[in-house]
Amino acid sequence: QVQLVESGGGLVKPGGSLRLSCAASGFTFSDHYMSWIRQAPGKGLEWVSHISQTGSAVYYADSVKGRFTISRDNAKNSLYLQMNSLTAEDTAVYYCARGKLRFEYWGQGTLGTVSS
Amino acid sequence: EIVLTQSPGTLSLSPGERATLSCRASQSISNSYLAWYQQKLGQAPRLLIYGASTRATGIPDRFSGSGSGTDFTLTISRLEPEDFAVYYCQQYGGSPPVTFGQGTRLE
Repeated sequence: QVQLVESGGGLVKPGGSLRLSCAASGFTFSDHYMSWIRQAPGKGLEWVSHISQTGSAVYYADSVKGRFTISRDNAKNSLYLQMNSLTAEDTAVYYCARGKLRFEYWGQGTLGTVSS
Repeated sequence: EIVLTQSPGTLSLSPGERATLSCRASQSISNSYLAWYQQKLGQAPRLLIYGASTRATGIPDRFSGSGSGTDFTLTISRLEPEDFAVYYCQQYGGSPPVTFGQGTRLE
């Protein structure tokens, strides 16, 4: 069955960086777009970024453009999100999801907290 | 940017009753690229409906979606205890490519 497992969350100071990972299994990873979606504590869902099957096409929400970088390693069935210049507004549970535009499979999420 | 506004913010009903949730878009959504998700506390969202009216795999037929253009509805015909959750609509036909509504809490 499809499994997505995020890791890499934690506590970081404002201005710092985090690198999130998502390990995929149960499907042919290289056949699918992948996305990151986040949810601030007690708030709604916000799409962050997606990446094409080969990694040649990426797209970001305006709120993270220039600070976050999405990437993937198809040999390792893994998706990544490098987050730099973090602010308190980036505190959220970060979910990886399979797909570009609609999301049938989600991971359980990893919490990134930005606080001094 | 397409803004999605969900109403009501909170819907209070009882098991067995019918639930009607609304999602209004700030501009027409092409090809009815509108999805609905259910999220329970501490869990990831679950895709219920896509293409405005197509149920995702394994979704019970008490869930149905309708609408086009700017007005969309999720209907739960007879509420089961496990249906009490937060529901989000999501568009995937505009720019930015994906936006979500703010959610409706069904209690």
